Amino acid sequence: AQSVTQLGSHVSVSEGALVLLRCNYSSSVPPYLFWYVQYPNQGLQLLLKYTTGATLVKGINGFEAEFKKSETSFHLTKPSAHMSDAAEYFCAVRKGYGGSQGNLIFGKGTKLSVKP
Amino acid sequence: DAGVIQSPRHEVTEMGQEVTLRCKPISGHNSLFWYRQTMMRGLELLIYFNNNVPIDDSGMPEDRFSAKMPNASFSTLKIQPSEPRDSAVYFCASGLQGELGDTQYFGPGTRLTVL
Repeated sequence: AQSVTQLGSHVSVSEGALVLLRCNYSSSVPPYLFWYVQYPNQGLQLLLKYTTGATLVKGINGFEAEFKKSETSFHLTKPSAHMSDAAEYFCAVRKGYGGSQGNLIFGKGTKLSVKP
Repeated sequence: DAGVIQSPRHEVTEMGQEVTLRCKPISGHNSLFWYRQTMMRGLELLIYFNNNVPIDDSGMPEDRFSAKMPNASFSTLKIQPSEPRDSAVYFCASGLQGELGDTQYFGPGTRLTVL
């Protein structure tokens, strides 16, 4: 069965510092992987996704993630944190293929704080 | 596009009352998802529709919860009777099944408080 583990429920960085949010997955089929961001009192918004092809995926707001099959990881990075990046980030894996497998399995989320 | 629309945005009710949450998915999308988010349990999938047909309702907590999708542009999630432990933020999301790595687009959520 598919699953997602996000390491660290809270991460704090200084403005301008590297952001690294960790995600490991378990999947019995080649995975589709996603990162979503949730700002306070809002719904989730897609940051980026990996389906096939290039393993380094670029998303919105300067974020990127690299799919590493050997490590079953899909960590999210941003070279320089901005105050506006403070939010909760969710990693997710698609349950499977086919019409009955379309739902996503979400991790528990990581809250990112950015210090001035 | 207006995005996924949910109503109401906030709902406060008393234990035992019926609650109905509403969702209008993005036009053209053929899949719809209801999620519940709490501090304790995180984000949980309740039910998932594809082409208006319920595909997976294994996440529905119990018989007090029911969901319908009478047409492609409207869905409801009903709780009857409501209990304090149902207090949560309920999200509706829609997507286009068949799109490679089909993205889910979330609504702003309904914050439910059951007193």
